[in-house]
Amino acid sequence: AQSVSQHNHHVILSEAASLELGCNYSYGGTVNLFWYVQYPGQHLQLLLKYFSGDPLVKGIKGFEAEFIKSKFSFNLRKPSVQWSDTAEYFCAALSNFGNEKLTFGTGTRLTIIP
Amino acid sequence: DAGVTQSPTHLIKTRGQHVTLRCSPISGHKSVSWYQQVLGQGPQFIFQYYEKEERGRGNFPDRFSARQFPNYSSELNVNALLLGDSALYLCASSLFAGGLAAFFGQGTRLTVV
Repeated sequence: AQSVSQHNHHVILSEAASLELGCNYSYGGTVNLFWYVQYPGQHLQLLLKYFSGDPLVKGIKGFEAEFIKSKFSFNLRKPSVQWSDTAEYFCAALSNFGNEKLTFGTGTRLTIIP
Repeated sequence: DAGVTQSPTHLIKTRGQHVTLRCSPISGHKSVSWYQQVLGQGPQFIFQYYEKEERGRGNFPDRFSARQFPNYSSELNVNALLLGDSALYLCASSLFAGGLAAFFGQGTRLTVV
């Protein structure tokens, strides 16, 4: 079955620290990958997405993610986090085979300490 | 521009009752998807509609149904509510089909007691 795994359930960092959130997917074919963010009390927002081409994808608010096909990974990174990055982060995948649906990971709660 | 709007924002229902949740997509968007987000989990796909036709269905029982209207707004209906249906129900819209749920609404928090 298609699945997305986020192994870090809760990450706590100090401001200015570097961030890397893990995401692994299990799909047999072509896959599109996404990172969403949910700030406290707000709706899900798209941070960035990978469809094809350059495996290093840049998104909003200084976030980037790297697609490594051999590792089935799409980790989210930010070189220097801010207190305002405190949120829930979800990785998601869309397979081009079968149902056209997004499959989400369980999410990673990121807490930034000022 | 208005984003994806959902109503109501909060709802409390009793087991066995029926509920209807509503979603208005961003103007010009023709695809609407519904997701269920249980506390502590990622959103789970329920349905996708594009141009008023069902394009995808997740692993949910037949108690869950949906439809899309000519103006592209959508309703999610759940019959015979169970306690386990308590969740945040999210609607997402996009220009085209393909499940590319780029824009999410705030969600409807459903509590079944």
